[in-house]
Amino acid sequence: KQEVTQIPAALSVPEGENLVLNCSFTDSAIYNLQWFRQDPGKGLTSLLLIQSSQREQTSGRLNASLDKSSGRSTLYIAASQPGDSATYLCAVLNQAGTALIFGKGTTLSVSS
Amino acid sequence: GAVVSQHPSRVICKSGTSVKIECRSLDFQATTMFWYRQFPKQSLMLMATSNEGSKATYEQGVEKDKFLINHASLTLSTLTVTSAHPEDSSFYICSALGGPQETQYFGPGTRLLVL
Repeated sequence: KQEVTQIPAALSVPEGENLVLNCSFTDSAIYNLQWFRQDPGKGLTSLLLIQSSQREQTSGRLNASLDKSSGRSTLYIAASQPGDSATYLCAVLNQAGTALIFGKGTTLSVSS
Repeated sequence: GAVVSQHPSRVICKSGTSVKIECRSLDFQATTMFWYRQFPKQSLMLMATSNEGSKATYEQGVEKDKFLINHASLTLSTLTVTSAHPEDSSFYICSALGGPQETQYFGPGTRLLVL
């Protein structure tokens, strides 16, 4: 059974810092991996999607990497801003299914 | 493109009543929609997979007679929480499979509070 773990559970940084969020998964037979952002009481915003054949994806200040063999992904946020404060969720799509399996998320707080 | 809406965004009901939540894909057709539930500080947990024109597939531990799912068209799926109890209070999020990137697009969620 696929399990997704995110570390740390919470993170507080001052504005301008570069930071890394970690995601690990137990079954490497995935179809893709996605990073989402969730603001309090809101739905999900897709940030980056990495196909199983890819190693990384970039969008603006965000860079996500995928190492399928070791079951790990990282989300790198450069020059963090207070507007980046949110919960970041990692989710994998197994090859066998169509539903996403989510981690519990990392809650990020960026202070000005 | 690829917008998914949910209605209502928030609902409060009395214990024992039923609540219907709608999930719509506004600008694309989705043969498959998913219903997730999220408790405070927990991850999203898949409840069921909804396929247009056929019965939904429920995850282990989810009561199909309590959480009724109807996917009557390619743009609408509904989740009805029957005889709701306080422990059903949660954040319910749907997603629709399709759109320009052929991936899941999520709705904004529905906050259910059962008194």
